[in-house]
Amino acid sequence: DTAVSQTPKYLVTQMGNDKSIKCEQNLGHDTMYWYKQDSKKFLKIMFSYNNKELIINETVPNRFSPKSPDKAHLNLHINSLELGDSAVYFCASSQNTGLQETQYFGPGTRLLVL
Amino acid sequence: QQQVKQSPQSLIVQKGGISIINCAYENTAFDYFPWYQQFPGKGPALLIAIRPDVSEKKEGRFTISFNKSAKQFSLHIMDSQPGDSATYFCAASGPYGGSQGNLIFGKGTKLSVKP
Repeated sequence: DTAVSQTPKYLVTQMGNDKSIKCEQNLGHDTMYWYKQDSKKFLKIMFSYNNKELIINETVPNRFSPKSPDKAHLNLHINSLELGDSAVYFCASSQNTGLQETQYFGPGTRLLVL
Repeated sequence: QQQVKQSPQSLIVQKGGISIINCAYENTAFDYFPWYQQFPGKGPALLIAIRPDVSEKKEGRFTISFNKSAKQFSLHIMDSQPGDSATYFCAASGPYGGSQGNLIFGKGTKLSVKP
């Protein structure tokens, strides 16, 4: 059973489109995250979220928005896609943020904006 | 501003050798230092982590050495194997509260272990 799953695995789209990436965790964790990994493998946090608090990295454009229908899901919506959005997006989860628990990463979604 | 600096960017080691990856941090509020391992096409996975109350932590062939005064920590892989070939990320985070609790990653080290 996959602990953290993401769909789709690959996403190719045109500039200007709006797209969503879905994430689900079956670990019963309270906190979920979205990371962006660029072509140079640099991992940067975009959001962290639990049922109490959304923490946004201030460098993330407001075209990106997380949506959490329930504790097990954190989807990423991206509006007006730009070429620079091409990257691998990882979802992750942890028991909570207070105890610096291990983060479990999904397999990634490879986004290519043409 | 890069708060966690990692070196080298790439590393080639012979099978059986020792792989050493170094990281330095700037924020003295950081109090949790994990290392993540990422294989091609996969998400990162926690390898080993340390807190600043100890200077060394060992798990199997993997050891973290931590120098609080120098604000540096390193990963040592003993008896390196071809299966260890992956990208390794150091990371750091501060205590709970706002964005301080988020992990800040180094830029990664691509390790290749030659048979």
